[in-house]
Amino acid sequence: DGGITQSPKYLFRKEGQNVTLSCEQNLNHDAMYWYRQDPGQGLRLIYYSQIVNDFQKGDIAEGYSVSREKKESFPLTVTSAQKNPTAFYLCASSLGRYQPQHFGDGTRLSIL
Amino acid sequence: AQTVTQSQPEMSVQEAETVTLSCTYDTSESDYYLFWYKQPPSRQMILVIRQEAYKQQNATENRFSVNFQKAAKSFSLKISDSQLGDAAMYFCAYIRGSNFGNEKLTFGTGTRLTIIP
Repeated sequence: DGGITQSPKYLFRKEGQNVTLSCEQNLNHDAMYWYRQDPGQGLRLIYYSQIVNDFQKGDIAEGYSVSREKKESFPLTVTSAQKNPTAFYLCASSLGRYQPQHFGDGTRLSIL
Repeated sequence: AQTVTQSQPEMSVQEAETVTLSCTYDTSESDYYLFWYKQPPSRQMILVIRQEAYKQQNATENRFSVNFQKAAKSFSLKISDSQLGDAAMYFCAYIRGSNFGNEKLTFGTGTRLTIIP
């Protein structure tokens, strides 16, 4: 079955450490997105990519980095510059900008 | 900047009854798309319904329908015959339909729906 796979489901980061969240899709979607969700809040866009080798900053890109070397993959790195990384991270993909986004199951990141 | 407002943080409804979740948005655009997403306790986001602004007809998907009032910038979701599996957070979302290439989905803060057996 086609879908979006995020891994790991839970992730713990030590102070000063970079961690990478994986997002893979086999839906043949061009666009991919990373969102952050904090308790009691909606989703906020971190980065998005509409095509391979191209990506744009969202509303809260500081302290995060991404790459899009393959259509299927859009990994997110949470760097040590992100001082408050504890949140639920959701990856999504879509056929195009105005098409519905399909979401993965999310990764919960916590600080040790 | 576009904003999406969901003024009801929590709602509850008796099983088999009908409930309406409200959403308003602020935009100066005439071409845009609106969505309702559902997030059950599993945390996965699931598309419920989609509405194109240029369509006057309200979108319907089985027990889910919308009341799209373009002039009032209102996009409410009606759930008929509520079921226990409808319990979730519901998010309203907006994206403008232009060709600048930098459009992004803007989400509201969500409404938590509880179904009372």
